[in-house]
Amino acid sequence: GIQVEQSPPDLILQEGANSTLRCNFSDSVNNLQWFHQNPWGQLINLFYIPSGTKQNGRLSATTVATERYSLLYISSSQTTDSGVYFCAVEGGGADGLTFGKGTHLIIQP
Amino acid sequence: DTEVTQTPKHLVMGMTNKKSLKCEQHMGHRAMYWYKQKAKKPPELMFVYSYEKLSINESVPSRFSPECPNSSLLNLHLHALQPEDSALYLCASSQDVARRGQPQHFGDGTRLSIL
Repeated sequence: GIQVEQSPPDLILQEGANSTLRCNFSDSVNNLQWFHQNPWGQLINLFYIPSGTKQNGRLSATTVATERYSLLYISSSQTTDSGVYFCAVEGGGADGLTFGKGTHLIIQP
Repeated sequence: DTEVTQTPKHLVMGMTNKKSLKCEQHMGHRAMYWYKQKAKKPPELMFVYSYEKLSINESVPSRFSPECPNSSLLNLHLHALQPEDSALYLCASSQDVARRGQPQHFGDGTRLSIL
């Protein structure tokens, strides 16, 4: 099946800092989503971005499908941004999402 | 994504009990999914339903039995579970699995503990 690798696995930043999270995938995809999982386990859908660039407030994402990677940018981090960020893809002829192992982000005040 | 509703939010059960998890969506989606997430791990796909028919069963033990009574409702029946089945169970839906490339919308999950 399709492989998804996220980096870095852990990231600790001060409030106000910017960060870039990366997602590499091993096959062509027709769905790529970025999620934020909060400490209560809720998976918050940030972006549906199989290709191109999108922005939503302090967050933006870019997927370069031909090179099989996606980037999530977080600017002016806030403590509420803490949690695990997952990249998930659907592709390789299979249904259902395959998740990367996530980036655990801690924003310190 | 609060458009997918899961009940109960928490469930504690013994290994001999029978219980069910429920998932409901009213977005007109025709594909629904069950995922299992162990602590500090990513979610993993268990089942996919497309037009109320089971299309994918990712080699899940028979003690987990899915059911899709209609296009809005998805159940997961549990029987004789093991302690290692303790996890967060997430339900998701998408417009149509046949037209791939549709975003999935997730419920808040049911946190299951097996005693």
